[in-house]
Amino acid sequence: GENVEQHPSTLSVQEGDSAVIKCTYSDSASNYFPWYKQELGKRPQLIIDIRSNVGEKKDQRIAVTLNKTAKHFSLHITETQPEDSAVYFCAAENTGNQFYFGTGTSLTVIP
Amino acid sequence: SAVISQKPSRDICQRGTSLTIQCQVDSQVTMMFWYRQQPGQSLTLIATANQGSEATYESGFVIDKFPISRPNLTFSTLTVSNMSPEDSSIYLCSAGANEQFFGPGTRLTVL
Repeated sequence: GENVEQHPSTLSVQEGDSAVIKCTYSDSASNYFPWYKQELGKRPQLIIDIRSNVGEKKDQRIAVTLNKTAKHFSLHITETQPEDSAVYFCAAENTGNQFYFGTGTSLTVIP
Repeated sequence: SAVISQKPSRDICQRGTSLTIQCQVDSQVTMMFWYRQQPGQSLTLIATANQGSEATYESGFVIDKFPISRPNLTFSTLTVSNMSPEDSSIYLCSAGANEQFFGPGTRLTVL
């Protein structure tokens, strides 16, 4: 099965700085990599995703990069704001359409 | 995006009893999934609910403990059987055509 590792587990940044979260996966056949943001007591919300035929995708202050050869992908948040504080999860979808999640990163943006 | 509802939103149950959680999607989807998320932890896939066939369970989860129904393309149930305090967790369903969206979760406490 797929094994997804995520680092760091906690991350604190000053407001306005950038935050980077990294994930690796084990199954080279995985082809879809979403990122979810989960605020306390809420459901995970899809914030950005990338498919294996693309190396980078950007949506305003959020970007995701994918290196299929190395089997790792990263989330980049620029100009961080206090409302970006949450737990972020990466995931990898296998060929059976099942998602396997990383262990999560608790991001704190300090005003 | 799919709109997913779950009920109950929370419940407190006695040891040895069973609870059935319902998940409703506002559109027809091929696959629905059930996850468990313990406090401060990541999401662990329990099973894939397939319409017209038996659910597919992940390692560590068995049908006798977590029976699943999928009577049509918009609905699924997960039963947590013969509960113990270790089953206390948040249970989430997810579904979607390309991206996966989550229900709000069911917070289960077993006394």
